[in-house]
Amino acid sequence: GAVVSQHPSRVICKSGTSVKIECRSLDFQATTMFWYRQFPKQSLMLMATSNEGSKATYEQGVEKDKFLINHASLTLSTLTVTSAHPEDSSFYICSARGDQEYEQYFGPGTRLTVT
Amino acid sequence: GQNIDQPTEMTATEGAIVQINCTYQTSGFNGLFWYQQHAGEAPTFLSYNVLDGLEEKGRFSSFLSRSKGYSYLLLKELQMKDSASYLCAPLDSNYQLIWGAGTKLIIKP
Repeated sequence: GAVVSQHPSRVICKSGTSVKIECRSLDFQATTMFWYRQFPKQSLMLMATSNEGSKATYEQGVEKDKFLINHASLTLSTLTVTSAHPEDSSFYICSARGDQEYEQYFGPGTRLTVT
Repeated sequence: GQNIDQPTEMTATEGAIVQINCTYQTSGFNGLFWYQQHAGEAPTFLSYNVLDGLEEKGRFSSFLSRSKGYSYLLLKELQMKDSASYLCAPLDSNYQLIWGAGTKLIIKP
Protein backbone atom coordinates (compact mmCIF):
# COMPACT_ATOMS: atom_id res chain seq x y z
CA GLY A 1 0.00 0.00 0.00
CA ALA A 2 0.86 3.65 -0.26
CA VAL A 3 3.12 5.09 2.42
CA VAL A 4 2.78 8.46 4.12
CA SER A 5 5.35 9.75 6.55
CA GLN A 6 5.12 12.51 9.12
CA HIS A 7 7.86 14.39 10.88
CA PRO A 8 8.41 14.87 13.73
CA SER A 9 6.58 12.06 15.50
CA ARG A 10 6.70 13.95 18.78
CA VAL A 11 7.43 17.56 19.57
CA ILE A 12 7.42 19.60 22.74
CA CYS A 13 7.47 23.36 22.44
CA LYS A 14 7.01 26.37 24.64
CA SER A 15 3.90 28.49 24.59
CA GLY A 16 4.14 31.27 22.01
CA THR A 17 6.48 29.46 19.64
CA SER A 18 5.65 27.97 16.23
CA VAL A 19 5.91 24.36 15.20
CA LYS A 20 6.05 22.92 11.69
CA ILE A 21 4.86 19.39 10.90
CA GLU A 22 5.71 17.76 7.59
CA CYS A 23 3.65 15.18 5.75
CA ARG A 24 5.11 13.32 2.81
CA SER A 25 3.71 10.76 0.40
CA LEU A 26 6.64 8.46 -0.28
CA ASP A 27 5.55 6.36 -3.21
CA PHE A 28 2.65 8.15 -4.87
CA GLN A 29 1.55 11.61 -5.87
CA ALA A 30 -0.85 13.10 -3.39
CA THR A 31 -3.17 15.47 -5.18
CA THR A 32 -5.10 15.99 -1.96
CA MET A 33 -3.86 16.03 1.59
CA PHE A 34 -5.89 16.24 4.77
CA TRP A 35 -4.93 17.45 8.22
CA TYR A 36 -6.70 16.07 11.27
CA ARG A 37 -6.51 16.70 14.97
CA GLN A 38 -7.51 14.20 17.61
CA PHE A 39 -7.90 14.84 21.32
CA PRO A 40 -7.81 11.89 23.74
CA LYS A 41 -10.80 9.57 23.47
CA GLN A 42 -12.38 11.73 20.78
CA SER A 43 -12.95 11.25 17.09
CA LEU A 44 -10.72 12.51 14.34
CA MET A 45 -11.52 16.10 13.52
CA LEU A 46 -10.78 17.33 10.03
CA MET A 47 -8.98 20.66 10.17
CA ALA A 48 -8.36 21.36 6.51
CA THR A 49 -8.08 19.91 3.05
CA SER A 50 -5.39 20.99 0.66
CA ASN A 51 -4.86 20.41 -3.02
CA GLU A 52 -1.42 20.76 -4.52
CA GLY A 53 -0.71 24.28 -5.63
CA SER A 54 -3.83 25.87 -4.20
CA LYS A 55 -4.92 27.31 -0.87
CA ALA A 56 -6.18 24.97 1.78
CA THR A 57 -9.87 24.76 2.61
CA TYR A 58 -10.36 25.04 6.35
CA GLU A 59 -13.21 23.52 8.31
CA GLN A 60 -15.49 25.75 10.28
CA GLY A 61 -13.94 26.86 13.54
CA VAL A 62 -10.34 26.25 12.46
CA GLU A 63 -8.27 29.43 12.39
CA LYS A 64 -6.40 29.60 9.11
CA ASP A 65 -3.99 32.22 10.42
CA LYS A 66 -3.05 29.99 13.30
CA PHE A 67 -2.78 26.73 11.41
CA LEU A 68 -0.86 27.48 8.25
CA ILE A 69 -1.01 24.79 5.61
CA ASN A 70 1.21 24.62 2.56
CA HIS A 71 0.90 21.98 -0.14
CA ALA A 72 3.66 23.08 -2.45
CA SER A 73 4.30 19.78 -4.21
CA LEU A 74 2.56 16.51 -4.95
CA THR A 75 4.51 14.78 -2.21
CA LEU A 76 4.74 17.33 0.59
CA SER A 77 2.35 19.26 2.77
CA THR A 78 3.23 21.17 5.91
CA LEU A 79 1.17 22.33 8.86
CA THR A 80 2.57 25.14 10.96
CA VAL A 81 1.00 25.80 14.32
CA THR A 82 1.77 29.44 15.02
CA SER A 83 1.95 30.97 18.48
CA ALA A 84 1.17 27.63 20.05
CA HIS A 85 -0.73 27.45 23.32
CA PRO A 86 -1.24 24.53 25.71
CA GLU A 87 -4.75 23.98 24.34
CA ASP A 88 -3.15 23.21 20.96
CA SER A 89 -1.57 20.12 22.48
CA SER A 90 -3.03 17.24 20.53
CA PHE A 91 -2.35 14.41 18.11
CA TYR A 92 -2.07 15.77 14.58
CA ILE A 93 -2.51 13.32 11.72
CA CYS A 94 -2.17 13.89 8.01
CA SER A 95 -3.54 11.76 5.24
CA ALA A 96 -3.04 11.79 1.52
CA ARG A 97 -5.08 10.74 -1.46
CA GLY A 98 -4.02 10.22 -5.03
CA ASP A 99 -5.85 11.34 -8.10
CA GLN A 100 -8.95 9.29 -8.96
CA GLU A 101 -8.77 7.55 -5.59
CA TYR A 102 -11.14 7.39 -2.66
CA GLU A 103 -8.88 5.92 -0.01
CA GLN A 104 -6.91 8.19 2.27
CA TYR A 105 -3.52 6.93 3.40
CA PHE A 106 -2.62 8.08 6.86
CA GLY A 107 0.66 9.22 8.26
CA PRO A 108 1.72 7.94 11.68
CA GLY A 109 0.75 11.17 13.43
CA THR A 110 2.57 13.84 15.42
CA ARG A 111 2.10 14.26 19.14
CA LEU A 112 2.36 17.97 19.98
CA THR A 113 2.78 19.08 23.57
CA VAL A 114 2.84 22.79 24.32
CA THR A 115 4.19 23.72 27.74
CA GLY B 1 -26.84 16.80 9.05
CA GLN B 2 -24.24 14.09 8.95
CA ASN B 3 -24.12 11.54 11.72
CA ILE B 4 -22.36 8.30 12.61
CA ASP B 5 -23.64 6.01 15.34
CA GLN B 6 -21.49 3.22 16.77
CA PRO B 7 -21.36 1.64 20.21
CA THR B 8 -18.85 3.42 22.39
CA GLU B 9 -17.27 0.29 23.79
CA MET B 10 -17.51 -3.47 23.39
CA THR B 11 -15.83 -6.35 25.18
CA ALA B 12 -15.15 -9.78 23.72
CA THR B 13 -13.14 -12.87 24.54
CA GLU B 14 -10.01 -14.03 22.78
CA GLY B 15 -10.88 -16.54 20.07
CA ALA B 16 -14.50 -15.42 19.82
CA ILE B 17 -16.38 -13.43 17.16
CA VAL B 18 -17.58 -9.85 17.53
CA GLN B 19 -19.76 -7.67 15.31
CA ILE B 20 -19.45 -3.90 15.45
CA ASN B 21 -22.46 -2.09 14.04
CA CYS B 22 -22.55 1.32 12.44
CA THR B 23 -25.45 3.41 11.23
CA TYR B 24 -24.86 6.58 9.29
CA GLN B 25 -26.55 9.56 7.73
CA THR B 26 -24.60 11.54 5.18
CA SER B 27 -25.07 14.10 2.46
CA GLY B 28 -24.60 11.77 -0.45
CA PHE B 29 -22.73 8.51 -0.24
CA ASN B 30 -19.68 7.18 -2.02
CA GLY B 31 -18.86 4.13 -0.01
CA LEU B 32 -17.86 3.36 3.54
CA PHE B 33 -14.50 2.67 5.14
CA TRP B 34 -13.60 0.82 8.29
CA TYR B 35 -10.38 1.73 10.03
CA GLN B 36 -8.58 0.31 13.03
CA GLN B 37 -6.86 2.69 15.42
CA HIS B 38 -4.62 1.59 18.26
CA ALA B 39 -4.15 4.02 21.11
CA GLY B 40 -1.67 6.76 20.23
CA GLU B 41 -1.44 5.70 16.60
CA ALA B 42 -2.98 6.79 13.32
CA PRO B 43 -5.86 4.84 11.75
CA THR B 44 -5.06 1.93 9.47
CA PHE B 45 -7.30 0.79 6.62
CA LEU B 46 -9.38 -2.34 7.08
CA SER B 47 -12.05 -2.33 4.39
CA TYR B 48 -14.03 -0.35 1.87
CA ASN B 49 -17.59 -1.16 0.79
CA VAL B 50 -19.39 0.67 -1.96
CA LEU B 51 -21.98 -1.93 -2.98
CA ASP B 52 -24.41 -3.78 -0.76
CA GLY B 53 -23.26 -7.05 0.64
CA LEU B 54 -20.43 -8.70 2.48
CA GLU B 55 -16.73 -8.22 1.80
CA GLU B 56 -14.49 -10.80 3.40
CA LYS B 57 -10.81 -10.31 4.03
CA GLY B 58 -9.17 -12.89 6.25
CA ARG B 59 -10.46 -12.66 9.81
CA PHE B 60 -12.28 -9.41 9.06
CA SER B 61 -15.48 -8.99 7.07
CA SER B 62 -17.51 -5.87 6.41
CA PHE B 63 -21.15 -5.59 5.39
CA LEU B 64 -23.05 -2.72 3.85
CA SER B 65 -26.72 -1.95 3.32
CA ARG B 66 -27.07 1.40 1.59
CA SER B 67 -30.85 1.49 1.83
CA LYS B 68 -30.66 1.10 5.60
CA GLY B 69 -27.64 3.32 6.12
CA TYR B 70 -26.06 0.42 7.96
CA SER B 71 -22.76 -1.37 8.05
CA TYR B 72 -21.03 -3.80 10.32
CA LEU B 73 -17.52 -5.07 10.84
CA LEU B 74 -17.18 -8.72 11.81
CA LEU B 75 -14.01 -9.88 13.50
CA LYS B 76 -13.41 -13.62 13.85
CA GLU B 77 -10.90 -15.59 15.91
CA LEU B 78 -10.20 -12.58 18.05
CA GLN B 79 -6.64 -11.98 19.16
CA MET B 80 -5.37 -9.75 21.95
CA LYS B 81 -3.79 -7.46 19.36
CA ASP B 82 -7.29 -6.72 18.02
CA SER B 83 -7.89 -4.54 21.07
CA ALA B 84 -8.25 -1.13 19.45
CA SER B 85 -10.81 1.42 18.33
CA TYR B 86 -12.72 0.67 15.16
CA LEU B 87 -13.87 3.61 13.11
CA CYS B 88 -16.73 3.55 10.63
CA ALA B 89 -16.25 6.34 8.10
CA PRO B 90 -18.63 6.91 5.19
CA LEU B 91 -17.56 8.99 2.23
CA ASP B 92 -19.97 11.83 1.50
CA SER B 93 -20.90 13.48 -1.78
CA ASN B 94 -17.73 15.59 -1.64
CA TYR B 95 -15.61 12.49 -1.11
CA GLN B 96 -14.87 13.60 2.44
CA LEU B 97 -14.65 10.97 5.15
CA ILE B 98 -17.16 11.52 7.94
CA TRP B 99 -15.79 10.34 11.27
CA GLY B 100 -17.58 9.21 14.38
CA ALA B 101 -15.97 8.58 17.75
CA GLY B 102 -15.44 4.91 16.96
CA THR B 103 -15.94 1.76 19.00
CA LYS B 104 -13.34 0.79 21.55
CA LEU B 105 -12.99 -2.98 21.49
CA ILE B 106 -11.53 -4.68 24.55
CA ILE B 107 -10.37 -8.26 24.19
CA LYS B 108 -10.12 -10.36 27.32
CA PRO B 109 -8.20 -13.63 27.62
